[in-house]
Amino acid sequence: EAQVTQNPRYLITVTGKKLTVTCSQNMNHEYMSWYRQDPGLGLRQIYYSMNVEVTDKGDVPEGYKVSRKEKRNFPLILESPSPNQTSLYFCASSLEGGQGGHNEQFFGPGTRLTVL
Amino acid sequence: QKEVEQNSGPLSVPEGAIASLNCTYSDRGSQSFFWYRQYSGKSPELIMSIYSNGDKEDGRFTAQLNKASQYVSLLIRDSQPSDSATYLCAVSAGANNLFFGTGTRLTVIP
Repeated sequence: EAQVTQNPRYLITVTGKKLTVTCSQNMNHEYMSWYRQDPGLGLRQIYYSMNVEVTDKGDVPEGYKVSRKEKRNFPLILESPSPNQTSLYFCASSLEGGQGGHNEQFFGPGTRLTVL
Repeated sequence: QKEVEQNSGPLSVPEGAIASLNCTYSDRGSQSFFWYRQYSGKSPELIMSIYSNGDKEDGRFTAQLNKASQYVSLLIRDSQPSDSATYLCAVSAGANNLFFGTGTRLTVIP
């Protein structure tokens, strides 16, 4: 089954404790992206990756890191989480990004993160 | 900052009626337009994509695009209670980002 998976689905942590949220897709998609969703603010892009070893900032990258060492995986790293990073996080992938790309994005199930 | 605007609703329609959802966008260079459906606590699910002016129909769903007016809409015919969800409009300028509106909450009343 074609899908985007994320782990963990739920996480409660404390300020300053490094964490990683994993994302994996089995569709051989080139483009992957991370979003956070907050009430009244909608989905905002954190980072995206056009392909292996190619990543770039989205709208709200502060406090986050990513890596893309393999095509299928795109982990989101919070080196020192803070309470304002409490949110619902979605990973997404699409066949391609880029100019003119019909970049329909497919979303993972989401990770609900609470930072105390 | 590229903006995508939607009426947050809630929009309530009776079962069997047509639900009309609207979206405007600010970037005239936008090339790709999408409607996602999101049930509470779930991930967005792509239901329609449209790339050229005019209408595109898929079952009970019709997407309408007017690039001159920077306007995209979604019509849901014969609305069902299962259509009750938040509908997200998303717009891409063909670059690397997809910009989302904050969504319109639709309630279909049985």
